[in-house]
Amino acid sequence: AQSVTQLGSHVSVSEGALVLLRCNYSSSVPPYLFWYVQYPNQGLQLLLKYTSAATLVKGINGFEAEFKKSETSFHLTKPSAHMSDAAEYFCAVSDRAAGNKLTFGGGTRVLVKP
Amino acid sequence: GAGVSQSPSNKVTEKGKDVELRCDPISGHTALYWYRQSLGQGLEFLIYFQGNSAPDKSGLPSDRFSAERTGGSVSTLTIQRTQQEDSAVYLCASSAGTGASGIQYFGAGTRLSVL
Repeated sequence: AQSVTQLGSHVSVSEGALVLLRCNYSSSVPPYLFWYVQYPNQGLQLLLKYTSAATLVKGINGFEAEFKKSETSFHLTKPSAHMSDAAEYFCAVSDRAAGNKLTFGGGTRVLVKP
Repeated sequence: GAGVSQSPSNKVTEKGKDVELRCDPISGHTALYWYRQSLGQGLEFLIYFQGNSAPDKSGLPSDRFSAERTGGSVSTLTIQRTQQEDSAVYLCASSAGTGASGIQYFGAGTRLSVL
């Protein structure tokens, strides 16, 4: 069974500072990995996805993530936080053996301080 | 519509009542998913429909939960004899692709409160 672990349920950063959200996965086969963002009272919006083309993936709103197979990690970063980045972020892995269903990490809520 | 639409956005019900939650996927999307988001369990998969294939019901937590998808489009998630632990946000997503790399587009969810 696949699993996803996000280290830190809450992260607080200052505006303009680096945002780093950690994600580690467990999968028996090369995975497809995703980062989604959820703003209050909204559904999930895709930030970026890894599908084995390139290990460094660029997404929307200045976010990027790097796939490291040796570390089974897919950490999300943004060089400079903006107030609008305050939201909850979810890392997910797609189950290639059972359709497309997503297994999510527990989520990390980001607070951006002025 | 342009995105996945879910209704109602909020539902308050009494314990023991049945509820129906509706999902309108993006037009043309063949895959449809239901997930549940709760404080205790996080985001968890419930059921998956792909075209005319038998649905993957492996995530349904009990036989009180069922779902159908009519005409390959609209889906209804039904919870019978609701319990307080069913209180959660129910999210629907749809996808155009059949491969595991397909992007899932999510609706805003239905917030269910069981009193």
